Amino acid sequence: NAGVTQTPKFQVLKTGQSMTLQCAQDMNHNSMYWYRQDPGMGLRLIYYSASEGTTDKGEVPNGYNVSRLNKREFSLRLESAAPSQTSVYFCASSGQGVEKLFFGSGTQLSVL
Amino acid sequence: GESVGLHLPTLSVQEGDNSIINCAYSNSASDYFIWYKQESGKGPQFIIDIRSNMDKRQGQRVTVLLNKTVKHLSLQIAATQPGDSAVYFCADSRTSGTYKYIFGTGTRLKVLA
Repeated sequence: NAGVTQTPKFQVLKTGQSMTLQCAQDMNHNSMYWYRQDPGMGLRLIYYSASEGTTDKGEVPNGYNVSRLNKREFSLRLESAAPSQTSVYFCASSGQGVEKLFFGSGTQLSVL
Repeated sequence: GESVGLHLPTLSVQEGDNSIINCAYSNSASDYFIWYKQESGKGPQFIIDIRSNMDKRQGQRVTVLLNKTVKHLSLQIAATQPGDSAVYFCADSRTSGTYKYIFGTGTRLKVLA
């Protein structure tokens, strides 16, 4: 069982560069999420998609865009990376209604 | 939960002892609560959940207690083992409307041999 798969695992960017973080789940879940985790802090919600075709802002959406490509895939794009976006990014998914989140293994991003 | 900056609260327990990790939530409308375990370099893993119509729920070696009056959640781990060393997060959400899980900052559990 793959669960939630994130790519890449590590990435280093220069300020101003753009990149897309990919996430895919094989559990037929409706909802998908992007979180960031900074040292010593909890997970903060960037964007989420309650169902295919919908996306909404979370707590910290500035500087990011998302695409719910289909039911399986939810990507996060940084158009012009900034050092403040250095963080570990986690994708998660959940089924119908309020259910536990299943997390990917994370992407460690450094912006120099 | 509120950010406490770079330093996570740490709980150190002797191997074999019971551990109790506490969490406060702020939204009185929350009616679903989860505990996650995160090992270094990995994504959070689900441990146990509880809905607001319950006060207590037990799993394998873990028990979650919910006190809605004071908006407090606790995770009890019985016979703590070295493999339990990790950061533990609680999260709360509402079953109506849009589902946004709010995570606490976490507690680091260190198991002493």
